[in-house]
Amino acid sequence: GEDVEQSLFLSVREGDSSVINCTYTDSSSTYLYWYKQEPGAGLQLLTYIFSNMDMKQDQRLTVLLNKKDKHLSLRIADTQTGDSAIYFCAESITGKLIFGQGTTLQVKP
Amino acid sequence: GAVVSQHPSWVICKSGTSVKIECRSLDFQATTMFWYRQFPKQSLMLMATSNEGSKATYEQGVEKDKFLINHASLTLSTLTVTSAHPEDSSFYICSASVGGEQFFGPGTRLTVL
Repeated sequence: GEDVEQSLFLSVREGDSSVINCTYTDSSSTYLYWYKQEPGAGLQLLTYIFSNMDMKQDQRLTVLLNKKDKHLSLRIADTQTGDSAIYFCAESITGKLIFGQGTTLQVKP
Repeated sequence: GAVVSQHPSWVICKSGTSVKIECRSLDFQATTMFWYRQFPKQSLMLMATSNEGSKATYEQGVEKDKFLINHASLTLSTLTVTSAHPEDSSFYICSASVGGEQFFGPGTRLTVL
């Protein structure tokens, strides 16, 4: 079945790196995504990775994909207070997105 | 580019009334739009997939007579919550798909009294 799991909460200090983890069950995913949601707002696409890639870096963001373990992570370097939000990973299966529960990132000054 | 809008951004209604939410792709045409529901501090749950000019495909457990979806044009899909009840209170988010990527609207907060 389709299932995406994330840890619910992460707290870091400003300037530290944040690592948000995600596991998924469906190996037929073509793309895996990371979205950011600020309070009361819709979703903002942060980055995505194609399923045949291991890593993707985009400025402060690094996505690592371990396809064997079905594990996806998002690393945010030099975390800022403006990064405080809920982060969702999602897998794309036949055009539909299946979301994890979301990880609330709290950045302390 | 690729901006999706929703209207209204929030709505409060009495139990038993119907509420219509619009989702528009402002600068692109979307053959497929998706409707999601999000409860507080929870994930987005896909309700239905809407294709222009055809009937929507609903996910298991979603009442099609309760949540009416109309995708009349390549830039507009509407979700009507019929005979709304307090348990329908939620955050409804739409997305529009182009080039295999989904672009999300800002969401509509529905509160049913």
